[in-house]
Amino acid sequence: ILNVEQSPQSLHVQEGDSTNFTCSFPSSNFYALHWYRWETAKSPEALFVMTLNGDEKKKGRISATLNTKEGYSYLYIKGSQPEDSATYLCAPNFGNEKLTFGTGTRLTIIP
Amino acid sequence: KAGVTQTPRYLIKTRGQQVTLSCSPISGHRSVSWYQQTPGQGLQFLFEYFSETQRNKGNFPGRFSGRQFSNSRSEMNVSTLELGDSALYLCASRQGTSGIRGQYFGPGTRLTVT
Repeated sequence: ILNVEQSPQSLHVQEGDSTNFTCSFPSSNFYALHWYRWETAKSPEALFVMTLNGDEKKKGRISATLNTKEGYSYLYIKGSQPEDSATYLCAPNFGNEKLTFGTGTRLTIIP
Repeated sequence: KAGVTQTPRYLIKTRGQQVTLSCSPISGHRSVSWYQQTPGQGLQFLFEYFSETQRNKGNFPGRFSGRQFSNSRSEMNVSTLELGDSALYLCASRQGTSGIRGQYFGPGTRLTVT
């Protein structure tokens, strides 16, 4: 069983502040890492897919970095807004087609 | 393009019954995966179908089964329901099965077993 850990489990951030959280995964056989955002009452929505060590992706105020050698990825949100409130899921793939999801970081933005 | 659709959205069943959930993928997507989510757990992978063949399977008992039709629509069946099967069941589609391919999720079916 592959161990994918996300920390923290939950987070409350003041509107306007920046924040970040972590996804840790086994580094061996790594192939790709996916980040998803899951808002309440909606479907999970893909944010990024990253494959290369040192990869950095950005979408608006959200960015992510990847370290495949040590097995972690950071997701950053700059200037948090209420619409950023969601659960953020990471899902590494190890070349076997399956995506293994972490339990997520639940982010709440306080107005 | 229309998104992934799932029916029904909500379902209440009694322990011991069986249930069938349906998923229609995005047009052109030939892969459909099923996930279970229970409180405190991440998305637990059930299985993935591609071109009517099961490609991958998670660690669930044989009571959970699925199939895919020639139009890529997929069904998931759970027989002899248990209280612990109460969960949100999500399906997701993608064009291929490569690990680099992201998945597009449906709205889910909320199953309650009483």
